[in-house]
Amino acid sequence: GQQLNQSPQSMFIQEGEDVSMNCTSSSIFNTWLWYKQDPGEGPVLLIALYKAGELTSNGRLTAQFGITRKDSFLNISASIPSDVGIYFCAGARSRDDKIIFGKGTRLHILP
Amino acid sequence: DAGVTQSPTHLIKTRGQQVTLRCSPKSGHDTVSWYQQALGQGPQFIFQYYEEEERQRGNFPDRFSGHQFPNYSSELNVNALLLGDSALYLCASSSTWTSGISYNEQFFGPGTRLTVL
Repeated sequence: GQQLNQSPQSMFIQEGEDVSMNCTSSSIFNTWLWYKQDPGEGPVLLIALYKAGELTSNGRLTAQFGITRKDSFLNISASIPSDVGIYFCAGARSRDDKIIFGKGTRLHILP
Repeated sequence: DAGVTQSPTHLIKTRGQQVTLRCSPKSGHDTVSWYQQALGQGPQFIFQYYEEEERQRGNFPDRFSGHQFPNYSSELNVNALLLGDSALYLCASSSTWTSGISYNEQFFGPGTRLTVL
């Protein structure tokens, strides 16, 4: 079945650093989504991408829909303690198709 | 504006039992999707309900069934529970365009933590 590969699996950074993570697929997706999940809560939608090559920002977060439609990237600038959590990429072949999630990137911020 | 709500928050069952989980979608949303999230994994799609019918289904056995009510709320039922069914069960709601195509921008509830002993 379809799988999304997220990397890195975990990251340890200093507060104030920029963060980059990515997600790749063996098949084409026409929708890419990025979610953040805090402990004990459901995932929260950060950014939705619907067009190949699209670059979208949400505050300090920027995500890109890869031109091949098989990958997506999320960048976080000037990380702060509340950025700690698990970031999931998710993709769908079309707007009415089921969403496939990656396994997540766990972000830790060192004191 | 209430977001997605789920009940109960935690549940402990034994093998072979049956369980029912409940979800109320975000105001204005008419589509409900259910996911299973095992520890350390991403959410896995179980099924989606729209207009009180199952519209899509993931790779889950028939022991997993659901229902959507006229007020768009939904239930997830799992029969003959197995130890491997222990997970966080997430409900997500979204809007469907009048053309029948739904947004992929799903909003998640906090989940129900199911433990099967």
